[in-house]
Amino acid sequence: NAGVMQNPRHLVRRRGQEARLRCSPMKGHSHVYWYRQLPEEGLKFMVYLQKENIIDESGMPKERFSAEFPKEGPSILRIQQVVRGDSAAYFCASSLGSTPYEQYFGPGTRLTVT
Amino acid sequence: GIQVEQSPPDLILQEGANSTLRCNFSDSVNNLQWFHQNPWGQLINLFYIPSGTKQNGRLSATTVATERYSLLYISSSQTTDSGVYFCAVLPLYTGANSKLTFGKGITLSVRP
Repeated sequence: NAGVMQNPRHLVRRRGQEARLRCSPMKGHSHVYWYRQLPEEGLKFMVYLQKENIIDESGMPKERFSAEFPKEGPSILRIQQVVRGDSAAYFCASSLGSTPYEQYFGPGTRLTVT
Repeated sequence: GIQVEQSPPDLILQEGANSTLRCNFSDSVNNLQWFHQNPWGQLINLFYIPSGTKQNGRLSATTVATERYSLLYISSSQTTDSGVYFCAVLPLYTGANSKLTFGKGITLSVRP
């Protein structure tokens, strides 16, 4: 069974560009979560989505960040007009259901903003 | 929100030694997971253990939910065990909110 897949694994963007991070959940999973690991800040929740719905976006910055999980295709985390402070590792996780199912994590996308 | 504390923050072992990593949490939980972040940055699921004891090879974990702590045991450590170990929890009374709260991690270095 394929695990959670993320691409690209590494992404370099210049300040002001857009970054698009993709996540394909495990087969049969319809719940997707995005977490961010900033240097010196640890792993923090960003957003929780089900197919076509945002369930909880309490961890998303108010501006420039958006997420979607369409009926078909991967979940997308989009960062507009990136700044150096967006440089981090972004992890996607998926689960079979909501609480209290285990969340399975992907390998992460490392975003570097130059 | 819920607080998650891991100890010790750093650990250095000689290959072959055993170790115990601890995770304390401040409120009741219905999900607790242990992860290993390897030197390449990947997060590896180790255990889903909101209560009880599980074993997987040289690793085992125990969660005592009533006392709000979990322990991860590593036996006969190997250099490939090096990395950062995270504990993450989901508070019991969260409704539809499924966001995990992570501890700061324990950095383990296993020396040959």
